[in-house]
Amino acid sequence: RKEVEQDPGPFNVPEGATVAFNCTYSNSASQSFFWYRQDCRKEPKLLMSVYSSGNEDGRFTAQLNRASQYISLLIRDSKLSDSATYLCVVAGRGTTDSWGKLQFGAGTQVVVTP
Amino acid sequence: EAGVAQSPRYKIIEKRQSVAFWCNPISGHATLYWYQQILGQGPKLLIQFQNNGVVDDSQLPKDRFSAERLKGVDSTLKIQPAKLEDSAVYLCASSLERVSGGAREQYFGPGTRLTVT
Repeated sequence: RKEVEQDPGPFNVPEGATVAFNCTYSNSASQSFFWYRQDCRKEPKLLMSVYSSGNEDGRFTAQLNRASQYISLLIRDSKLSDSATYLCVVAGRGTTDSWGKLQFGAGTQVVVTP
Repeated sequence: EAGVAQSPRYKIIEKRQSVAFWCNPISGHATLYWYQQILGQGPKLLIQFQNNGVVDDSQLPKDRFSAERLKGVDSTLKIQPAKLEDSAVYLCASSLERVSGGAREQYFGPGTRLTVT
């Protein structure tokens, strides 16, 4: 089993609709969680951090479920410009002499159609 | 603010040849990462530096890959000799100093697209 797993998609979403997808992780000691966005043939860019209480940034909402070990991303009122691959990042808890392992998922592709 | 710089942007080499990539992180960023991203996959961390010290190189194929970060600023990643399976995009990222128990936002460079023939 991969340590960080994502549904590769693609999720085909009509413009204006809502789409949501998850990322599961296997290490229960994971400490930090992020969503990155990667456009085709471009570098990843941070979309948002994921906090324990859940957080929202405009049309984007991220949730963390520690009991079931997954994070989610919801996009409301999808725009054509939201078409991209969404990567989740999970970082393990560090110790006094090492840093927690940092891992990316393979990404979920979202395609917003007119 | 200048972003993470990488060069070259593209490189084509034959198998068994050597190649080196260069990265200049954002000024003031103590942590530097090298990732390998194969088409259709997420970035895989190869090595992480904190200033000029290595803090994680568990996934670096040390028989052929090496990296250094002199003076805690620029970094180079070298592959010698290259194999066909090394064809990928090599991404450099930097962040503010990483602290135990957490991770920081990473800023990525544009990457170097390596093709090994």
